[in-house]
Amino acid sequence: GENVEQHPSTLSVQEGDSAVIKCTYSDSASNYFPWYKQELGKGPQLIIDIRSNVGEKKDQRIAVTLNKTAKHFSLHITETQPEDSAVYFCAGLNTGGFKTIFGAGTRLFVKA
Amino acid sequence: NAGVTQTPKFRILKIGQSMTLQCTQDMNHNYMYWYRQDPGMGLKLIYYSVGAGITDKGEVPNGYNVSRSTTEDFPLRLELAAPSQTSVYFCASSNPTDANYGYTFGSGTRLTVV
Repeated sequence: GENVEQHPSTLSVQEGDSAVIKCTYSDSASNYFPWYKQELGKGPQLIIDIRSNVGEKKDQRIAVTLNKTAKHFSLHITETQPEDSAVYFCAGLNTGGFKTIFGAGTRLFVKA
Repeated sequence: NAGVTQTPKFRILKIGQSMTLQCTQDMNHNYMYWYRQDPGMGLKLIYYSVGAGITDKGEVPNGYNVSRSTTEDFPLRLELAAPSQTSVYFCASSNPTDANYGYTFGSGTRLTVV
């Protein structure tokens, strides 16, 4: 069945460094790839997304890249800050269907 | 704008008890979803609905039931609670358009079955 694999499961960086989280999807029909940030005790919140007709998208310190051929997409956070510490989920969706498939999550620690 | 509101935030159930997790949204979203999140794991889809009166099973529907009588409300019913249902439950909604396929999540209900 459809699957989204996410790596690493845990990532620890120094404040100011960059962080990269990688995901691989199996369903070639997937064409929408959101990223969610979940802070402690809260629900996931959409932070950025990318469509399959776009290779890269940026929003301030965060960016997402997509390689359709390899079925890979990645989240890049630059100049990390302690408030970036959270669990990040990647996901894939075929917009002709209803079900978003989520990765297992990456717990990011940013050390001050 | 409240977004997606879930109640209660915490609940402890005894084995065999039943309860309803409430979810309501004020964004007029057609699509609503229930997910469970086990410790250190991702989100598993329990049930979803594409509009009032329409519901369908997700990956892990056993032991749960849902109804969607209005656009705003999507309650999740647990019958005969089991320890395996100890989890954090998230309700989400979306309104798929060409502009936005993202979900809005509630803050979750932490359920413990003892």
